[in-house]
Amino acid sequence: EIVLTQSPGTLSLSPGETATLSCRASQSVFSSFLAWYQQKPGQAPRLLIYVASSRATGIPDRFSGSGSGTDFTLTISRLEPEDFAVYYCQQYGSSPWTFGQGTKVEIK
Amino acid sequence: EVQLVESGGVVVQPAGSLRLSCVASGFTFDDYPMHWVRQAPGKGLEWVSLVTWDGYTTDYADSVKGRFTISRDNSKNSLYLQMNSLRTEDTALYYCAKTYGYPGPFDYWGQGTLVTVSS
Repeated sequence: EIVLTQSPGTLSLSPGETATLSCRASQSVFSSFLAWYQQKPGQAPRLLIYVASSRATGIPDRFSGSGSGTDFTLTISRLEPEDFAVYYCQQYGSSPWTFGQGTKVEIK
Repeated sequence: EVQLVESGGVVVQPAGSLRLSCVASGFTFDDYPMHWVRQAPGKGLEWVSLVTWDGYTTDYADSVKGRFTISRDNSKNSLYLQMNSLRTEDTALYYCAKTYGYPGPFDYWGQGTLVTVSS
């Protein structure tokens, strides 16, 4: 099983700043099949990024993903008030599909 | 518009059984694999199970293998999760989720149905 470790656990930032979230895998993620999701309280997760760097439909270009192998990053530029949420990475290259424990981006 | 609507979540006693359902609309259901993902209260996301578009291939997390069974009825645009031998640690919000491929990320999610296992 691939274990995904996200850091930091919590990121305290102000609107307009840039958030950099890390996701490290215990072994290489097949074909960079790595996704990022955003979850707000009381809502289902929403797909942001897939195949490490491709934005899902309707996702603003201030969200960008990068990385390969075992190290992946989600960058949120120019934080908007609606971006404060919990973010999860997920690998879907091998079973069992696994998620990181989440990074909470909160308003400073 | 893609919609996934889960139902069937209730309070059930340990060792009990439950069947969750998810009705899909807005896309060609039998073209896509479907998953169940759960989230314990205040915790992160945990993948539970997968079924391919034709229902012939299934997969399970070790934590539910041998106790849960995933299935689908493409004629009814419906996904199911039969949950047996329930444990307190199965308490969670259960989401059904669509992927656009196998493998693929979860591009659409339902709003979830809450299963509480408690005596």
